[in-house]
Amino acid sequence: QLQLQESGPGLVKPSETLSLTCTVSGGSISSSSYYWGWIRQPPGKGLEWIGSIYYSGSTYYNPSLKSRVTISVDTSKNQFSLKLSSVTAADTAVYYCASSLKTTVPRFDPWGQGTLVTVSS
Amino acid sequence: SSELTQDPAVSVALGQTVRITCQGDSLRSYYASWYQQKPGQAPVLVIYGKNNRPSGIPDRFSGSSSGNTASLTITGAQAEDEADYYCNSRDSSGNHDVVFGGGTKLTVL
Repeated sequence: QLQLQESGPGLVKPSETLSLTCTVSGGSISSSSYYWGWIRQPPGKGLEWIGSIYYSGSTYYNPSLKSRVTISVDTSKNQFSLKLSSVTAADTAVYYCASSLKTTVPRFDPWGQGTLVTVSS
Repeated sequence: SSELTQDPAVSVALGQTVRITCQGDSLRSYYASWYQQKPGQAPVLVIYGKNNRPSGIPDRFSGSSSGNTASLTITGAQAEDEADYYCNSRDSSGNHDVVFGGGTKLTVL
């Protein structure tokens, strides 16, 4: 079954770019059956969808973050990545990657374990 | 994008039935998916579609929908069901945007 694992720096300075990678195992990121998504959760708060990507490279972003977000896929490494630019303390959160079957209603399953990213100087 | 609204907190006595609701305009067009999140853990999908449970999810979890409200029902709540529950769905605008509810903290008394 699919397994996802986030990786990347746990500390990012304000105004810099947050970069995370999600490695997919147990299946191919080139599968036409899945979207690949990023979701974040600030400490003590709820879940926020950041964006999703299809293996073809089609991307879908949260309108509130769209100007700062780039999600890309590397099929050769079975990975997809998140870049969030011009970060502030408000971007401090646990960042999750997850897969979603390509269905009308997104259902994220499974999720990675999450990685805490702190924005601080 | 549209919003999904959940009650911040709900409690239930051990062994009783509890309903957690999620309201939003997009739910008139799309089903909700439901996730359980325990402290320090990633969310886990518990209900999707009309009323479908992923493998391994107990059958005491069920889903339903009416109008602009989706519901997650736990019949015979157990102590291990104490967790945060989130709904999500597709934005009602017809694009691929995803929306999450604010989450409901379930306490099992």
